[in-house]
Amino acid sequence: DQQVKQNSPSLSVQEGRISILNCDYTNSMFDYFLWYKKYPAEGPTFLISISSIKDKNEDGRFTVFLNKSAKHLSLHIVPSQPGDSAVYFCAAQLKYGNKLVFGAGTILRVKS
Amino acid sequence: NAGVMQNPRHLVRRRGQEARLRCSPMKGHSHVYWYRQLPEEGLKFMVYLQKENIIDESGMPKERFSAEFPKEGPSILRIQQVVRGDSAAYFCASSPPGLAGSYNEQFFGPGTRLTVL
Repeated sequence: DQQVKQNSPSLSVQEGRISILNCDYTNSMFDYFLWYKKYPAEGPTFLISISSIKDKNEDGRFTVFLNKSAKHLSLHIVPSQPGDSAVYFCAAQLKYGNKLVFGAGTILRVKS
Repeated sequence: NAGVMQNPRHLVRRRGQEARLRCSPMKGHSHVYWYRQLPEEGLKFMVYLQKENIIDESGMPKERFSAEFPKEGPSILRIQQVVRGDSAAYFCASSPPGLAGSYNEQFFGPGTRLTVL
């Protein structure tokens, strides 16, 4: 039962352009959403998060948008840099819950 | 301030042997989580522990797997009689104690890659 889905296994973007990574969820009880970045042979690193009471959160080059009615969130990276090449995981958390429910990840390649 | 430490980083076991994975949380963190990542998949929650207590083990297989977080020392994920399907990356995360209903960022360790021959 995949409650968090990342339907694009990979994305290739030119340096300087925008990267848009998408994530869909099915459980309307999710209250908090996070994006993690992962390099090979390392653990995931927290990138940015958003509460369900908001529709946008911005941190430097990274912006997360949440559309609750569509149960959809996206991560925008502008401008994309070669160092952004990694696997990006979307994760969700229930209110008062602790465990994270992860999507399968999207491999982002930023070409210089 | 050291991050979450996991050892060993790589572990090779033959079918039927036991695997012990260790996790030392960040200083000041009293909450530990274990996740498993199978090839080509996302991380799947296994268990959530606080010192000397298992809070949520809803993701743990019913047999062969156990976890503990003793008062002193690291958290241990133990897999008995390993099978080939246990081959995966096992990640530990820790978070600080927080207010009920608040969200605390989980900091991940580098993982232990278990290979079962």
